[in-house]
Amino acid sequence: DAGVTQSPTHLIKTRGQHVTLRCSPISGHKSVSWYQQVLGQGPQFIFQYYEKEERGRGNFPDRFSARQFPNYSSELNVNALLLGDSALYLCASSITLGRAREKLFFGSGTQLSVL
Amino acid sequence: GESVGLHLPTLSVQEGDNSIINCAYSNSASDYFIWYKQESGKGPQFIIDIRSNMDKRQGQRVTVLLNKTVKHLSLQIAATQPGDSAVYFCAETRDAGNQFYFGTGTSLTVIP
Repeated sequence: DAGVTQSPTHLIKTRGQHVTLRCSPISGHKSVSWYQQVLGQGPQFIFQYYEKEERGRGNFPDRFSARQFPNYSSELNVNALLLGDSALYLCASSITLGRAREKLFFGSGTQLSVL
Repeated sequence: GESVGLHLPTLSVQEGDNSIINCAYSNSASDYFIWYKQESGKGPQFIIDIRSNMDKRQGQRVTVLLNKTVKHLSLQIAATQPGDSAVYFCAETRDAGNQFYFGTGTSLTVIP
């Protein structure tokens, strides 16, 4: 079975532009989370979606938005890009969003560079 | 080799030795913990997890120890191999949303 797939793998944008990152979860997984990983640091939570609804949001500005589709795939959108948005954007999936804790399975990420 | 301190960024060990990577967490409500391995250019890869009702869990060549009293987590890797060279993150969650909080990571280098 395929793991979590993300596209594109690399992206170069300029300040002020908009970007859309895409993620397909593992087959059967209904929850998708997005994390931002700045070089040299651990991943930081941005969003979590389950059954097309936002179930959690980290401390990120409103320039960041996301959505989940009926097939459980997801998009992360970032508007008005800043140099500080340069990072590895990771998508992770898990089976459900129940009270039982579940491990996250990560994709390889999209490396975004803002010039 | 053994890391000391709570946020040692790098650890170098000889091939075949045991490695111990440490992690501290701050929130006593944290109830589920995962160790991830991240190789260059890849996303974090699940290694082992442990719930707060346990203090030890073993996997293949890896053991995780949890000390809730001092809010400390460790990952032990037996007979460390060159393929173990990577950055290791501990992650914990404490709420129903399954949002994980990651540490800053420890870079493990295995010397052949």
